[in-house]
This record gives sequence, structure tokens and C-alpha cells, in this order.
Amino acid sequence: AIQMTQSPSSLSASVGDRVTITCRASQGIRNELGWYQQKPGKAPKLLIYGASGLQSGVPSRFSGSGSGTDFTLTISSLQPEDFATYFCLQDYNYPRTFGQGTRVEIK
Amino acid sequence: QVQLAQSGAEVKKPGASVKVSCKVSGYTLTELSMHWVRQAPGKGLEWMGGFDPEEGEIIYAQKFQGRVTMTEDTSTDTAYMELSSLRSDDTAVYYCTTPVTRTVAFDIWGQGTMVTVSS
Repeated sequence: AIQMTQSPSSLSASVGDRVTITCRASQGIRNELGWYQQKPGKAPKLLIYGASGLQSGVPSRFSGSGSGTDFTLTISSLQPEDFATYFCLQDYNYPRTFGQGTRVEIK
Repeated sequence: QVQLAQSGAEVKKPGASVKVSCKVSGYTLTELSMHWVRQAPGKGLEWMGGFDPEEGEIIYAQKFQGRVTMTEDTSTDTAYMELSSLRSDDTAVYYCTTPVTRTVAFDIWGQGTMVTVSS
């Protein structure tokens, strides 16, 4: 199974900060990666598909990049509603595997 | 628009089985590739299995092979996930999810079903 290593596991940031989260795959997965946001008690929400595609309705401050083994989720200017946990998920093959998650907290 | 409505919370004893349902509205189940993901309290997301349209069959995570069964009732557009031989570490929220607007990414999720395994 492909291992997805996500970092950092948590970070503290202020409103307006630029935030970057990374995921590294244990083998090449082309661009077949999604990023999800999860708030407490809620189901995950798709933000980015195909490594860089912005899901409909998601604010443009979210962006994704990368291909092969290294991927990045960037929030260009953190907003109060962005404090949440973020996960990556590889769609390249089965079994699907998630990163461990990054908790974004208020500084 | 498609919605997934899951069954309510369950409390089970170790060794028992649980069957969680996921009713589709806005689409028919045959148009979708349903997957199941779980999340233990305070932990990350874990893919359990789902329908692979390229192979035309359900793929299970090896970890759950022999203990999980995913089925579909197309007459009621309801998907089911049954997990047997429950242990305390199966305590988790179980989600159904499916790609709809995207080919593979999970853009639609059920609300989750809490399954508690306790003696």
C-alpha cells in the first residue's frame, strides 16, 4: 500500500497568515491526490482534486500543487473558518490511503 | 443534488456485528461508486473499501478482509456496510462517501454513523 506522509501534524497560525501543508507519497502517484478539510463533528469536505483542481464552491485562497510524490496545500490568507484539520488522500490505486492529518490551530 | 443519509448511532458488544446503511437521494445508487471510511475518536481517516468501476467489483482494505461486507440494494438506493467480530478498537464514526462531480475524489459524504463497541 502507498504510504502518505503528511506534515506538519499540527501548526499554529494567525488570521491572515499563509499556511503550507505537505504530503509525500511513498511512490509516484502522478497527480492523483485530493485535499480535504474536516471540522469537529463533521464529515470531511473536498477542497482540491487532481492535486491542483479547486473544487466548486471552495474559496480561491486554497490551492494545491505537486505531482509524483510531493504535494502541497496552501492557504494564502488564513481565515477564521479555516481552523480545522486537513487530510490528503491518494486516488492513484487501492487501497486508498490518507495522510495522518494536519490540525490548524489559532495562534 | 446527491445526498447520502446514514443510519443512526449504534452500541454493540464485542464479538457482535453492526450494519450501517447509507441512503442515496438525488441520484440512483447504480450511478455511483460507494466507499466507506472510518475515523476512530481523535484519530485520522481510514479507507475500508469501495466499488471500483474499472474492475466492476468491491475492493476491501486488507485490514478488514473477512470481517467487512459492503452491499447495495438498488431497489431502495441504499448501500450497506456490515462489520463483524467487533472489537473495542472498531469504535469509530463510519462514513459513506462517493465521487459525483469528480472521477475519483470523494466530493459527497454522509453525515457519519457512530459505532461504539463496549462490554
